[in-house]
Formats: sequence, structure tokens, C-alpha cells
Amino acid sequence: GAVVSQHPSWVICKSGTSVKIECRSLDFQATTMFWYRQFPKQSLMLMATSNEGSKATYEQGVEKDKFLINHASLTLSTLTVTSAHPEDSSFYICSAKSSGSPNTGELFFGEGSRLTVL
Amino acid sequence: DAKTTQPTSMDCAEGRAANLPCNHSTISGNEYVYWYRQIHSQGPQYIIHGLKNNETNEMASLIITEDRKSSTLILPHATLRDTAVYYCIVRVAYNTGNQFYFGTGTSLTVIP
Repeated sequence: GAVVSQHPSWVICKSGTSVKIECRSLDFQATTMFWYRQFPKQSLMLMATSNEGSKATYEQGVEKDKFLINHASLTLSTLTVTSAHPEDSSFYICSAKSSGSPNTGELFFGEGSRLTVL
Repeated sequence: DAKTTQPTSMDCAEGRAANLPCNHSTISGNEYVYWYRQIHSQGPQYIIHGLKNNETNEMASLIITEDRKSSTLILPHATLRDTAVYYCIVRVAYNTGNQFYFGTGTSLTVIP
């Protein structure tokens, strides 16, 4: 199946610093990518929808200035956690939908990136 | 918001069929039902999806009731590696794209 890769898989940073997480679709073009956050023992929470070449659409309660999303190409979306604090520590997961199959709409998920803010 | 409800947890004996139910009583006519599973600290893995008809692939079978208000994922011969959290998702179509909202999922434990 299609492959979505995230980098880094884990990162530890100091409070107040910014962290960038990359999400790449390796063998298909993705006009739309989605970013999720998952806290321990909880389900995935959709944060935002990232559309290539346009501004991301954020879910209610997600601060767009805190979580900057850039989707500059059909194979890359980035999530930047700005001025990270310990409460931002979480498992961040991206997913992508192949632009070639809009009706089936299967989502392919990355391996996730675990952020720990000290 | 998730449009599905699932039991929190289930056990299944190894080699037996695992039947995971899902309720989606508010599903609309053009909304698909998807199933994903997540093994600890990994990204979700696609299993199967359907609209109206029952579906089968190499991993599982999906049975959707005629009124589409509920469905059941069937793992025909559960193995220990099938232990995971299974999410039933209704794909919601908005102008900004087809969002997948995850519910709480069912934690399936396959017992030797």
C-alpha cells in the first residue's frame, strides 16, 4: 500500500523552543493531509486539514498560531509546534489521501512522531 | 465529532473469529464506514471500508446492516498479532475534504 513517512519519529525539546515535524507521501501525490494528536490512552484527535497550496483548516479549539502547518508540495506537509510547553507533549500523527482516488478516500497514516517537552 | 460508538474492550481466543460491533445510527446516505486499527505507539493501519454492501479482503470482513445504522468487523481467525485498538469511522464529507474523526475505539485482546 501507499507509504506515508514522518520525521522525526521522536523528539525531546526544551520548553519555549519550536519543533517541526515533517510528513511525506512517498509514492503518491496528496493534495490533502491531516494532522492528528493523540494523548496516552486516548483516541486520535483531528487537529487540522492541510491542503496543498492553501491555508490549513483548523478544528475548533486548535490554535493556528501555535500549530503552524505548511503544505508546500503534493508530497510534503509540515507541522511546527511553536513555543512548545510540557502540555504539548503528545504523539502527533499525519495522514494523507491519495489525490488519485477521491471517492474511496482511503487514508494512509504515518508512523507518528512522539514529542516530549521538558 | 465522531459519529460512531463502540464497546471499550473485548477479548477473543486465539484462532477464533473476532466480531467487533459498531453503531453509527446518524450515518448519512453517502458516508462510508471505515475500519482502522492501531497497535501501541504506531500509526493507524487501514483494514477495510464499505458503503452499503458487505465487503471482504485478506484481512477481514465487514458486515453492514441494511439500514446502515450499524456494522460488524470480523477477523476470521484471530492471532496474537491482532491485539490492537480497532476504530470504526464514518467518513464525513465537508467542503474542505473528507475528514476522518476517530471515536474511542475497541481495545481487542487476543488470548492464547
